[in-house]
Amino acid sequence: AQSVSQHNHHVILSEAASLELGCNYSYGGTVNLFWYVQYPGQHLQLLLKYFSGDPLVKGIKGFEAEFIKSKFSFNLRKPSVQWSDTAEYFCAVNPMDTGRRALTFGSGTRLQVQP
Amino acid sequence: DGGITQSPKYLFRKEGQNVTLSCEQNLNHDAMYWYRQDPGQGLRLIYYSQIVNDFQKGDIAEGYSVSREKKESFPLTVTSAQKNPTAFYLCASRTGTRDTGELFFGEGSRLTVL
Repeated sequence: AQSVSQHNHHVILSEAASLELGCNYSYGGTVNLFWYVQYPGQHLQLLLKYFSGDPLVKGIKGFEAEFIKSKFSFNLRKPSVQWSDTAEYFCAVNPMDTGRRALTFGSGTRLQVQP
Repeated sequence: DGGITQSPKYLFRKEGQNVTLSCEQNLNHDAMYWYRQDPGQGLRLIYYSQIVNDFQKGDIAEGYSVSREKKESFPLTVTSAQKNPTAFYLCASRTGTRDTGELFFGEGSRLTVL
């Protein structure tokens, strides 16, 4: 079964610092990849997604992620974080050539941005 | 507005009781999902359904049951057989035709077993 690993469980940054959150997955076939964010008290929402094409994808609020197939990675980045980025971030993978028609999520990374 | 409605938002249950969590969507999505969220464990898939009257077990289906009698509804029953039911439950949906659509989530139901 596929799995998703998020290496950082809790990250604390100051405003304007750069962010990179790691995500690795175990499935060797074709995948769709996602990053979701859960702001305090709000429902999960999509940050960005990768289906095919340019491995560098841009999402909302200045976030981007790079798909590196050889490393099975899909790391999330933002050049300069803001206090409002404080949230929990989840990486997810959807294998495209199995019978499983559902996303597998990582354990999440809690980001705390200090003003 | 279109979206996913989960109810109740908070629920308390005594041990040994079954409880049903409601999930309704008006997005006309084919596929619906139930995830369980626990601190430090992310979201784990309980059950999912691609079409009406059909559903599949996810990674942690034991102690749970579902039905999909209508396209817009996918209730989850947490049975007394679920050994550790206290958790935050999330319902989601997406267009199921190409498996590439994003998931849309409800606001969740928090179940506490006393």
